[in-house]
Amino acid sequence: ETGVTQTPRHLVMGMTNKKSLKCEQHLGHNAMYWYKQSAKKPLELMFVYNFKEQTENNSVPSRFSPECPNSSHLFLHLHTLQPEDSALYLCASSQGSGRENIQYFGAGTRLSVL
Amino acid sequence: AQSVTQLDSQVPVFEEAPVELRCNYSSSVSVYLFWYVQYPNQGLQLLLKYLSGSTLVKGINGFEAEFNKSQTSFHLRKPSVHISDTAEYFCAVTVMEYGNKLVFGAGTILRVKS
Repeated sequence: ETGVTQTPRHLVMGMTNKKSLKCEQHLGHNAMYWYKQSAKKPLELMFVYNFKEQTENNSVPSRFSPECPNSSHLFLHLHTLQPEDSALYLCASSQGSGRENIQYFGAGTRLSVL
Repeated sequence: AQSVTQLDSQVPVFEEAPVELRCNYSSSVSVYLFWYVQYPNQGLQLLLKYLSGSTLVKGINGFEAEFNKSQTSFHLRKPSVHISDTAEYFCAVTVMEYGNKLVFGAGTILRVKS
């Protein structure tokens, strides 16, 4: 248990569905991240939030919409996804966003887009 | 752009044998280096980190890594592996000049056989 909880753990959705991924951290951290992990590819950073403000959007398509209502919660809203969006989506948090800050990861949401 | 190369996608090894997982990075400027481990159906967990100081870094579960600036490498080693070490291992680096983003390698799957 790392203190970062992601729900749901598994999600199957059609291309016309709208769904949301949820991440909650109990570590008192100020920065939160979304990563995409696809088979045989390095982890891809998607979004970074620092003190609830988005500080990084790594050229992510608009069908992915993040939301950070407070420093403990992070959402990823999904709509009109494509089959190539099927992947493991990982949430992480850290005390700050500087490069020495250790990121703590959740167990991920396994997303399948049909 | 910063890149991280993990030279082996899979490393099979017998239980109680030593293992080395290789990692090279491309930056010539100051870097912070990390190794993470991902057990099946779990998120990433920090094994060890190099920020400064001694180039030999010890981490959890008996792992250690050595920072070699001239060879731009940060190889992970363990003198005697256990079945429970079977997992995927990720090398990662942050470089201040690239916005402190954590850049991951593609991962190395360590398979420990009895």
